[in-house]
Amino acid sequence: GENVEQHPSTLSVQEGDSAVIKCTYSDSASNYFPWYKQELGKGPQLIIDIRSNVGEKKDQRIAVTLNKTAKHFSLHITETQPEDSAVYFCAVWARGATNKLIFGTGTLLAVQP
Amino acid sequence: DVKVTQSSRYLVKRTGEKVFLECVQDMDHENMFWYRQDPGLGLRLIYFSYDVKMKEKGDIPEGYSVSREKKERFSLILESASTNQTSMYLCASSFLQGKHEQFFGPGTRLTVL
Repeated sequence: GENVEQHPSTLSVQEGDSAVIKCTYSDSASNYFPWYKQELGKGPQLIIDIRSNVGEKKDQRIAVTLNKTAKHFSLHITETQPEDSAVYFCAVWARGATNKLIFGTGTLLAVQP
Repeated sequence: DVKVTQSSRYLVKRTGEKVFLECVQDMDHENMFWYRQDPGLGLRLIYFSYDVKMKEKGDIPEGYSVSREKKERFSLILESASTNQTSMYLCASSFLQGKHEQFFGPGTRLTVL
């Protein structure tokens, strides 16, 4: 079945710097890659997603890039702000006997003011 | 706005007790999910449902069961709680089956003593 690895597990940056979180997956047939943000005390919330027919998608300060050949995708946050501090999860839509989202293990991002 | 509510934010139970976790969504979503969140393991799917009275096992169904008698409500049941079921439980719903946004509730932190 699909296997998703996420790195790093923790990331600390200064306000205004960029942050990059990377995920790798194993099933080359996977074709949907969302990113979720979980703030303290809340459930995860979708912030951006990408489908396999595009290589990059951008929404203001966040972007996701996808390399299907290498089977990895990354979340890029530019000009980080304290409110970006949260846990970020990548996910992969796994096709098989049961279609479902497989989540990465999460990255705790701390933006230092 | 989609709202997914969970019956309790914090719950403390004793080993062997039967535990019910309730989830309600208000957007007429077809699909509902129960995840378990543990540090270093990300979100793991316990059970999901694509229709009333329908259920499918996820990746870690052992020790759990579910009930979906009404479209808006999805219950997770721990028949005989054990200490290794101490965790954060997250409910989610989505409008369409497949590669679409899942909306999460705030979670229930369950401690089994």
